[in-house]
Amino acid sequence: KAGVTQTPRYLIKTRGQQVTLSCSPISGHRSVSWYQQTPGQGLQFLFEYFSETQRNKGNFPGRFSGRQFSNSRSEMNVSTLELGDSALYLCASSLASLGQDFTDTQYFGPGTRLTVL
Amino acid sequence: DQQVKQNSPSLSVQEGRISILNCDYTNSMFDYFLWYKKYPAEGPTFLISISSIKDKNEDGRFTVFLNKSAKHLSLHIVPSQPGDSAVYFCAATSGTYKYIFGTGTRLKVLA
Repeated sequence: KAGVTQTPRYLIKTRGQQVTLSCSPISGHRSVSWYQQTPGQGLQFLFEYFSETQRNKGNFPGRFSGRQFSNSRSEMNVSTLELGDSALYLCASSLASLGQDFTDTQYFGPGTRLTVL
Repeated sequence: DQQVKQNSPSLSVQEGRISILNCDYTNSMFDYFLWYKKYPAEGPTFLISISSIKDKNEDGRFTVFLNKSAKHLSLHIVPSQPGDSAVYFCAATSGTYKYIFGTGTRLKVLA
């Protein structure tokens, strides 16, 4: 079974531009989450989508947005890029299985390295 | 407010010895915990998890211990191997599909 794929792997943009990142989850996985990783900050949760709906959101400004398509693929958009947006953006997918015993494990893609100049 | 904390940014261990990575959390609603390993320029790889109804889970060389009263979990790697050198993240969730990650511990296993 193919893993989580993210495109592009590397991206260089300048301040003020906007960028769109793409994520294809593992087949059958319905939940897609996005994270930002910067040095010393760990993985900061951006948002989570399930059935084309945003269910959870982290503490990021409105310049960060996302969406999920009917095939569970997801895109993340960052508008008006700032230097501080330079980071590794990670996408993770999970089954989002229902049930009382929550044991839903997220599986990550390789990430998109965004550099803002 | 950092709900999941990994207070040791780095750890060095001799090959063949035990590596113990620690993680503390503050939210008593967390009921599922995970450990991930991350190499540079790659996404995190799932290692092992534990539900709050257990206090121990083993998978080969990896064992996770959960102490709910202390809000503490630890990952034991025995024996440690040079290929285990990576950054390890612990994560927690309260069943809302929102996972909170620690800042990571860089493990270096010395040959």
